[in-house]
Amino acid sequence: DAGVTQSPTHLIKTRGQQVTLRCSPKSGHDTVSWYQQALGQGPQFIFQYYEEEERQRGNFPDRFSGHQFPNYSSELNVNALLLGDSALYLCASSFGAGGGPYEQYFGPGTRLTVT
Amino acid sequence: GQSLEQPSEVTAVEGAIVQINCTYQTSGFYGLSWYQQHDGGAPTFLSYNALDGLEETGRFSSFLSRSDSYGYLLLQELQMKDSASYFCARGGQAGTALIFGKGTTLSVSS
Repeated sequence: DAGVTQSPTHLIKTRGQQVTLRCSPKSGHDTVSWYQQALGQGPQFIFQYYEEEERQRGNFPDRFSGHQFPNYSSELNVNALLLGDSALYLCASSFGAGGGPYEQYFGPGTRLTVT
Repeated sequence: GQSLEQPSEVTAVEGAIVQINCTYQTSGFYGLSWYQQHDGGAPTFLSYNALDGLEETGRFSSFLSRSDSYGYLLLQELQMKDSASYFCARGGQAGTALIFGKGTTLSVSS
């Protein structure tokens, strides 16, 4: 059973460029969340997708956008890259329905460097 | 606010017990999760508390006191492989985002 996969693993971009990161959730999961993790910090929530719609969004500018496909995979797009966007971008999947304790399964991340 | 506070670093020796505390602001609080992250790795889920009390999973236990807006992760019989960053995070209920603390770096020495 494949876990959460992300591509690419590493990426180097120049300021002002645009980037697309991809995520495939764990089998059976329908919800994808994206997080940005700067060095030495905790992951910061960007947004969450469920049923192909953005369900919740963190405090990130509109330069950050996303999409979820019918097979539950997801993309994160960042436009007009800034040096401060350099970070590890983590995708996490979960099952979106029901209550009780649930865990988010994280992928290995994409390390984005903006020069 | 929704911020969480946890110590930045903790050191201990193999076989010891260590407690990592986490305090949070109550606005919109639902539950407290704990994640472990090794250097260069992905965060992995350890435990979740929605109600007051202790949850035990092997060598790891997590505690929550909603009246005190406080929780902790207890790691027993420490091993070298437990050296990692530990994050408390509010949320953890289906459909909600996780809001992470800044993390506690645990260093276990022999």
